[in-house]
Amino acid sequence: GIQVEQSPPDLILQEGANSTLRCNFSDSVNNLQWFHQNPWGQLINLFYIPSGTKQNGRLSATTVATERYSLLYISSSQTTDSGVYFCAVGYQLIWGAGTKLIIKP
Amino acid sequence: SQTIHQWPATLVQPVGSPLSLECTVEGTSNPNLYWYRQAAGRGLQLLFYSVGIGQISSEVPQNLSASRPQDRQFILSSKKLLLSDSGFYLCAWMDLRGIYRLIGNEQFFGPGTRLTVL
Repeated sequence: GIQVEQSPPDLILQEGANSTLRCNFSDSVNNLQWFHQNPWGQLINLFYIPSGTKQNGRLSATTVATERYSLLYISSSQTTDSGVYFCAVGYQLIWGAGTKLIIKP
Repeated sequence: SQTIHQWPATLVQPVGSPLSLECTVEGTSNPNLYWYRQAAGRGLQLLFYSVGIGQISSEVPQNLSASRPQDRQFILSSKKLLLSDSGFYLCAWMDLRGIYRLIGNEQFFGPGTRLTVL
């Protein structure tokens, strides 16, 4: 089956910093989503991005399907960005292990 | 707009007791429905999915079962809970029409149920 790897597993940054989260997948996919899980457990859809680039405020994402990776960019981090970021691929969603992001004030 | 509900939000149950978690979706018809479990500090594990009433597919063998008695209702059950059933249970839906319109297979999640088995 498809393998999904996320890096880094943990990231601690000061407020205002920029960050890049990576998602590698082992086979071609026609579906890729980025999620943010807040400290209360709610999964929030960030991007549906099987290919190309999208931006939403301080967040943007790029998926290069031919090279089997996706990047999530967070600019000017805020403490509310803290949580776990997951990427998931495929029709039934195969999940990466997540990147735990902590933004310090 | 579409809304997904889950209840209860938290649940503490003794080992060997039964379980019933309910998920309902509003604002869409004939969605794909999913049950996931998340252990503490881990990623999500797909347990069951359903493409229609009475149609259930199981991804992981376990003492849990799922049922879909109505188009927008998905129920997760167990006859006897184990300690290992503790975790955060999430229900999700996907609009099947999205596939045919080629606008994607995006899934949306409910607020989750935190289950502790003692």
